[in-house]
Amino acid sequence: DAKTTQPPSMDCAEGRAANLPCNHSTISGNEYVYWYRQIHSQGPQYIIHGLKNNETNEMASLIITEDRKSSTLILPHATLRDTAVYYCIPTNSGGSNYKLTFGKGTLLTVNP
Amino acid sequence: NAGVTQTPKFQVLKTGQSMTLQCAQDMNHNSMYWYRQDPGMGLRLIYYSASEGTTDKGEVPNGYNVSRLNKREFSLRLESAAPSQTSVYFCASSPGGGGGTGELFFGEGSRLTVL
Repeated sequence: DAKTTQPPSMDCAEGRAANLPCNHSTISGNEYVYWYRQIHSQGPQYIIHGLKNNETNEMASLIITEDRKSSTLILPHATLRDTAVYYCIPTNSGGSNYKLTFGKGTLLTVNP
Repeated sequence: NAGVTQTPKFQVLKTGQSMTLQCAQDMNHNSMYWYRQDPGMGLRLIYYSASEGTTDKGEVPNGYNVSRLNKREFSLRLESAAPSQTSVYFCASSPGGGGGTGELFFGEGSRLTVL
């Protein structure tokens, strides 16, 4: 699995966009980039994933660079409930030995 | 839909005692996982089961055993609990099997303290 680098913490003002970066320079061609978040004491929650195209869903947008060595998760209008640890996880998707390896992630604090 | 259900939610053990954490999912998923999370740390994979009838070690399997009882249920057993196993344990499931999206669905966690 590819190694990732994420900033340990970030702050964002409520209502503003939160842009969370992730470096995954060793990602292989068949690895997707998955993003999860973990709100305090709860189980992690899936947000979004992508291979090489930008993706958007009701929660967030995912921007993947053309060389796939980095990505950015965008929460367009952050709320206080978005305060959580965000994990960027490259992995092969849905294979017979599919599993996720979590790093330490980025603690996003949304301030009023 | 209940999703992924873990029992018990809280447990206190004495060193040397044994216990089993139970996990069940009602989404007809092929793959199931057990993770542990220590304070201030990310999740670490203990064991996983890619499909019914198979189990594999993850990153930190020592001191644990697992059973994939059927497609719905995946249990984690501590035969002789140690204080180092004090942690929050999360069970998860995913469609898996090569055709799934890869998304993992997590339970609410089981908080275990070993004295």
